[in-house]
This record gives sequence, C-alpha cells and structure tokens, in this order.
Amino acid sequence: NAGVMQNPRHLVRRRGQEARLRCSPMKGHSHVYWYRQLPEEGLKFMVYLQKENIIDESGMPKERFSAEFPKEGPSILRIQQVVRGDSAAYFCASSTLQGASYNEQFFGPGTRLTVL
Amino acid sequence: DQQVKQNSPSLSVQEGRISILNCDYTNSMFDYFLWYKKYPAEGPTFLISISSIKDKNEDGRFTVFLNKSAKHLSLHIVPSQPGDSAVYFCAASSDNNNDMRFGAGTRLTVKP
Repeated sequence: NAGVMQNPRHLVRRRGQEARLRCSPMKGHSHVYWYRQLPEEGLKFMVYLQKENIIDESGMPKERFSAEFPKEGPSILRIQQVVRGDSAAYFCASSTLQGASYNEQFFGPGTRLTVL
Repeated sequence: DQQVKQNSPSLSVQEGRISILNCDYTNSMFDYFLWYKKYPAEGPTFLISISSIKDKNEDGRFTVFLNKSAKHLSLHIVPSQPGDSAVYFCAASSDNNNDMRFGAGTRLTVKP
C-alpha cells in the first residue's frame, strides 16, 4: 500500500505533555500538508512543507506547535505542552510537484489526539 | 475566516434519488475546487474537481457544477446509493497556493 501513512492512529496525552504525530507521504510525493479537524468542524489548514523547508505555516498556532519534514524520514507535527483544546483529528496529506494545475492532495487516515 | 461554507450539516435522501450538496465561497481568487468524501475513521478521499474555466465536470454518477458569478458550487450524485453515505467536504484553492480551504462538511445519508 503506497498511500499516505500516519502514526499513531490514536494518541492520548495528559495536559502539559508533548505530542508527536508522524506522516509518511506517498511515494514520489515531495509536498506535505497538515490539517486539523476539530469536532463538528471542517478541515483547517495548518502548515505546508517540502523536504527540509516550511513553505507556509500561516494556519499553525504561533506557540507550542512546530512541524518539520527532514531530508530523510517522515514529517513530524509536534505539539508541546498540550491542552484540552488540542484534542482533534490531525490529517496529513501529500501531493506531487507544485505548479501543476492539478494539485490533488492525498490524505492519510489521520491521528486522533485526545488530551486528558 | 470561513472562506468556504457548507451550510447544510446533513442531508438524507432515498436510494436511487438525486443527492445535491452545496458549497459557497467568498474568495474570488479561488480557481480550483474539489470535493472530498470521508468515511468514519478514515482520511478524506478525493472525489471530483473542477477548474474555474469550466462550469461543469462529470465523472460517472458524480457531477460538479460551478457558478462563478454566485461563488457557488454543487455536487450532484445520481442515482444515490447507500455506499455514498459519508461526509462530503468542499475545498477550494488558487493555482499557485497550496493553502486549500475546506468547508465544514455535509453528512449524507442514503436510505435503502
């Protein structure tokens, strides 16, 4: 299965702990996006990365949240000192080269974060 | 900022009838629109898209209509099938911007 992979699928953290969410894009995809879905809401864009570069982080909270997409390995979304309001489903998507008129994004199954 | 709106949180239709899901947007810079389908505990999957140079795109039972002057698009599913029951997200982006905006989703239930 060469789809977008995310792990863990479920993550439980206590307030103040750190959460690390991992995303492996589809083979051949060099663009990764992270989205957050709060209960009863749509997907909200957080950050767009290429290998070793953050291209657009306009949707990511300025504090406690960070993302990276290293040269080797998966993309990581890190949430430090989690709070209850961080409880959500976090989806990763990947796409091929930007610039094409058709930049369909393929989504992973998501990580459901629960903060106790 | 709700640049993409799906005002109907849910829709229920009978099997075999037409399902019409609506979406409105406010940003005139959007020029590419997509519909995603999402089952519980899964990520969204791409369904159909339309470029702003078109007003209709059809793929089997699924047709998307775009009305640029009204900043409105709709997804038609005909005939609807029970397997179509899912949450449908409308999304919009501009050609050079990967910041895709999603609506809140519409939960479609197709009754046998």
